Amino acid sequence: AQSVSQHNHHVILSEAASLELGCNYSYGGTVNLFWYVQYPGQHLQLLLKYFSGDPLVKGIKGFEAEFIKSKFSFNLRKPSVQWSDTAEYFCAVDMGRRALTFGSGTRLQVQP
Amino acid sequence: DAEITQSPRHKITETGRQVTLACHQTWNHNNMFWYRQDLGHGLRLIHYSYGVQDTNKGEVSDGYSVSRSNTEDLPLTLESAASSQTSVYFCASSPDRGKTQYFGPGTRLLVL
Repeated sequence: AQSVSQHNHHVILSEAASLELGCNYSYGGTVNLFWYVQYPGQHLQLLLKYFSGDPLVKGIKGFEAEFIKSKFSFNLRKPSVQWSDTAEYFCAVDMGRRALTFGSGTRLQVQP
Repeated sequence: DAEITQSPRHKITETGRQVTLACHQTWNHNNMFWYRQDLGHGLRLIHYSYGVQDTNKGEVSDGYSVSRSNTEDLPLTLESAASSQTSVYFCASSPDRGKTQYFGPGTRLLVL
């Protein structure tokens, strides 16, 4: 079945640490890829997206993600996290179906 | 500015009652979606619409219905609320299939 997996459910980091959140999907066709962020008590906001072209995409707030087609992955990275990055992060994939398929989310807690 | 709104933001209801959650967008997007967010499940698609008079079932559509009489609105109805429908509900819209979805602020529903 077509699915999206986020392997890290809860990540705790100290400020200035580097971040990498994994996202894998199971679909062999063309995909559009997204990372959304949900700050506490707020709605989902787009962090970055990939449709085509350079597989390394940059988003807001210093986040970036790399699409590796051979690994069916779209991992999110940030070189130095801040306390304000505390949030839940969702990977979402358009696999040519009716709507986006979301991963189960990764809760990031950044300690000052 | 264009936006997507949901009402009510919070709702408490009793088992068996009919409940309608409103979603209104001013972007003139053709595509609208309803998701529910539950701990450990990420976002799951309930219903979606690609245009006026078009509605489709998502992966968790049992007990829910939608109607699309105009471009701006996609109300979600719980025909007979059940405790299992206690959740946070998000509405989203996008200009085209596979493109970025923009989310509303969410409705927190508690079914007692």
